[in-house]
Amino acid sequence: EADIYQTPRYLVIGTGKKITLECSQTMGHDKMYWYQQDPGMELHLIHYSYGVNSTEKGDLSSESTVSRIRTEHFPLTLESARPSHTSQYLCASSELGHSQFFGPGTRLTVL
Amino acid sequence: QQQVKQSPQSLIVQKGGIPIINCAYENTAFDYFPWYQQFPGKGPALLIAIRPDVSEKKEGRFTISFNKSAKQFSLHIMDSQPGDSATYFCAASGEAAGNKLTFGGGTRVLVKP
Repeated sequence: EADIYQTPRYLVIGTGKKITLECSQTMGHDKMYWYQQDPGMELHLIHYSYGVNSTEKGDLSSESTVSRIRTEHFPLTLESARPSHTSQYLCASSELGHSQFFGPGTRLTVL
Repeated sequence: QQQVKQSPQSLIVQKGGIPIINCAYENTAFDYFPWYQQFPGKGPALLIAIRPDVSEKKEGRFTISFNKSAKQFSLHIMDSQPGDSATYFCAASGEAAGNKLTFGGGTRVLVKP
């Protein structure tokens, strides 16, 4: 079954740690996105990719970085986590047209 | 600058009522307007979407009304059920905007039994 996966679902980590949030999709979509969302609040685009070796920063400035080495994989990395990074991170993908399909999200808490 | 404004922020209706959520956009280059439904702890799920060549679209109990001249669109939930309680987001995108979605601020809907 085609789907989009995010791991871990929940992460509690101390300040200064390096973390990588994983996102994979099995739909063969070229376009992938990372959003940051505080609970119940609006979504802010922080990174997107239109294909392998293509990454762009989104509308909301973020200290995170992303890579797109394989079509199906779009990991997000924080080199040094801080309490201000506490949020929910949502990954999405899309193909033709504009419909984006979202993963379940990673809830990150930085102590 | 918020390009898609969504109202109200929250809405409470009785079971069977019709919650109505409104969105207004500024960018005339937008040509795709989806609505997403999000339950707590989950990612948003695409509910229904419309393009500006039609004024209304229905899928089950969900209806989008679109007014191109006013640059507004709305979501109606007919015969609402407690299971419809969720946060709803409108969004807009267009080729000129790189096909990226611009989201509204969200509306928290509570349907009371």
